[in-house]
Amino acid sequence: EAGVAQSPRYKIIEKRQSVAFWCNPISGHATLYWYQQILGQGPKLLIQFQNNGVVDDSQLPKDRFSAERLKGVDSTLKIQPAKLEDSAVYLCASSPRLAGEPNEQFFGPGTRLTVL
Amino acid sequence: DAKTTQPTSMDCAEGRAANLPCNHSTISGNEYVYWYRQIHSQGPQYIIHGLKNNETNEMASLIITEDRKSSTLILPHATLRDTAVYYCIVRVRGQGAQKLVFGQGTRLTINP
Repeated sequence: EAGVAQSPRYKIIEKRQSVAFWCNPISGHATLYWYQQILGQGPKLLIQFQNNGVVDDSQLPKDRFSAERLKGVDSTLKIQPAKLEDSAVYLCASSPRLAGEPNEQFFGPGTRLTVL
Repeated sequence: DAKTTQPTSMDCAEGRAANLPCNHSTISGNEYVYWYRQIHSQGPQYIIHGLKNNETNEMASLIITEDRKSSTLILPHATLRDTAVYYCIVRVRGQGAQKLVFGQGTRLTINP
């Protein structure tokens, strides 16, 4: 079974520029997550989708970050405009179980963003 | 929400059992304990989870104390490929959805 795909793997931009990340979850997985992992820290949940609806976006900085999951499959995460502190690895994960149940999350390789 | 406490780092010799402790003294009765690991430059990988009883799968064993205030992840025969950061996570209920809150984890180094 193919895993969670993410692109690009690496991105370098200057502050105030825009950037977008793409995620393709494992086929059939209803729940999709975006995490931000700053160097030396554990991943932090940004947003969680079930199908194409948002379940939890309480930690998403909505003034600059946005995410969508059209048709309940692929998802994009956008940052506009980027700040230096947005430098991190952005991880996408998916889960076959409905939210509210014990779940295993399957993670992609991540996109490493460097903001100069 | 229950918090977890793990040692920052541990070392283990290759071929020996690696025992990774985790304290979660404020865990509530319906919260699960999950373990994930993250190998360098990869996304986290699910290992095992449990509620009350000890659990075992092909990767590891999870021992949860009777009072559920602590647990131990056991890698029975550690290999160099087990070098990673191991996260002990208590499932957090948020807005009706599953949420995993990662702490700092334990950096496990397997030495030849």
